[in-house]
Amino acid sequence: QKEVEQDPGPLSVPEGAIVSLNCTYSNSAFQYFMWYRQYSRKGPELLMYTYSSGNKEDGRFTAQVDKSSKYISLFIRDSQPSDSATYLCAMSLLTGNQFYFGTGTSLTVIP
Amino acid sequence: DTEVTQTPKHLVMGMTNKKSLKCEQHMGHRAMYWYKQKAKKPPELMFVYSYEKLSINESVPSRFSPECPNSSLLNLHLHALQPEDSALYLCASSQDRWYRGYEQYFGPGTRLTVT
Repeated sequence: QKEVEQDPGPLSVPEGAIVSLNCTYSNSAFQYFMWYRQYSRKGPELLMYTYSSGNKEDGRFTAQVDKSSKYISLFIRDSQPSDSATYLCAMSLLTGNQFYFGTGTSLTVIP
Repeated sequence: DTEVTQTPKHLVMGMTNKKSLKCEQHMGHRAMYWYKQKAKKPPELMFVYSYEKLSINESVPSRFSPECPNSSLLNLHLHALQPEDSALYLCASSQDRWYRGYEQYFGPGTRLTVT
């Protein structure tokens, strides 16, 4: 079983839709949770970062962490064509310098 | 400033060449990373430096040689690469693990083609 599982998609939605992206994980010791957006042929860009449980909101983006279910989500409200990218979740332990990535979900927002 | 810079942006090299990739950050981060990313795959960890010392080497072939001259700079020296080494090479940095705010920032990558 992989440490982090993420549905690769592809996911295609109309402009203005609410998008839900999810990752599950197996290691209950993960404490740091991140979401990255990666445009084609570019480096990943950090979108959201959460420590331990709870929700975090930044503009149209909301990150949720449910440690009891080992499940994290990223919601994108009022999606725009510029949101079309691959979204990667990543997580890490309290100690060590290693980050564990999901495989990424490819999102296309259709105008 | 949350920027990690990488040079060059693109690199084409033959299998007998020696080249280097460079990464720089000025965020005061004490951990720096090299990743390799193939198309439609997540980044794959190669090396981690913590306080300028190599702390993780993910069984990377010796034709890749990392170097951390100071806390802001990370190099990856390349020699005798194979065509299958063609990929996007990403550098990243993070605050040391003992700090909150442990998120990792990536550079734009160097797209390497080995001919």
